[in-house]
Amino acid sequence: QSVLTQPPSVSGAPGQRVTISCTGSSSNIGAGYDVHWYQQLPGTAPKLLIYGNSNRPSGVPDRFSGSKSGTSASLAITGLQAEDEADYYCQSYDSSLSARVFGGGTKLTVL
Amino acid sequence: QVQLQESGPGLVKPSQTLSLTCTVSGGSISSGGYYWSWIRQHPGKGLEWIGYIYYSGSTYYNPSLKSRVTISVDTSKNQFSLKLSSVTAADTAVYYCSGSGGAKNAFDIWGQGTMVTVSS
Repeated sequence: QSVLTQPPSVSGAPGQRVTISCTGSSSNIGAGYDVHWYQQLPGTAPKLLIYGNSNRPSGVPDRFSGSKSGTSASLAITGLQAEDEADYYCQSYDSSLSARVFGGGTKLTVL
Repeated sequence: QVQLQESGPGLVKPSQTLSLTCTVSGGSISSGGYYWSWIRQHPGKGLEWIGYIYYSGSTYYNPSLKSRVTISVDTSKNQFSLKLSSVTAADTAVYYCSGSGGAKNAFDIWGQGTMVTVSS
């Protein structure tokens, strides 16, 4: 069981907007630790999508955005495209576990 | 840009030690600023951070695996390595090496991953 909770799956039609939540606690997100998001296409390694809660690495489309509030964070994807179909993971640091932790992952299906 | 490549046996017997190496190309481990991690992904499951090493040799391990993990660095070969002892079937996973640091402080460099199966 992951300390960061994500919905197992989300879906949306092309062009729509979807959000993926990442719920933590006072020992990780709520403690002020940054949240990062990764995209994992089928059969490939994860790729950094959002760092420091809301920053995009160069090359990541501005259709992807991140936010954080309290003990939760969210990833929003607008203008959904077929190529966005992938697994998405949030990641932070947990002071109780003294470890970098990941969410359980969310599978995005583009209908 | 910096690239990572994992190497090592794809099959390990139960109770033995899993050994993997990550070769860094396109940059020097010794340049500093980055922490070099091992991360694994059980089949069909999520990601688990195993631990990291700095070029100086400083290490930090996930407490859940700490008793069985050793991460080392060889700056002359621009490589870092993972040893996981007393493996069981539960250690069957894809193992990734990754780099994090700088302003992002996130895992922004990843190897392609290598599948390790623990079986007799």
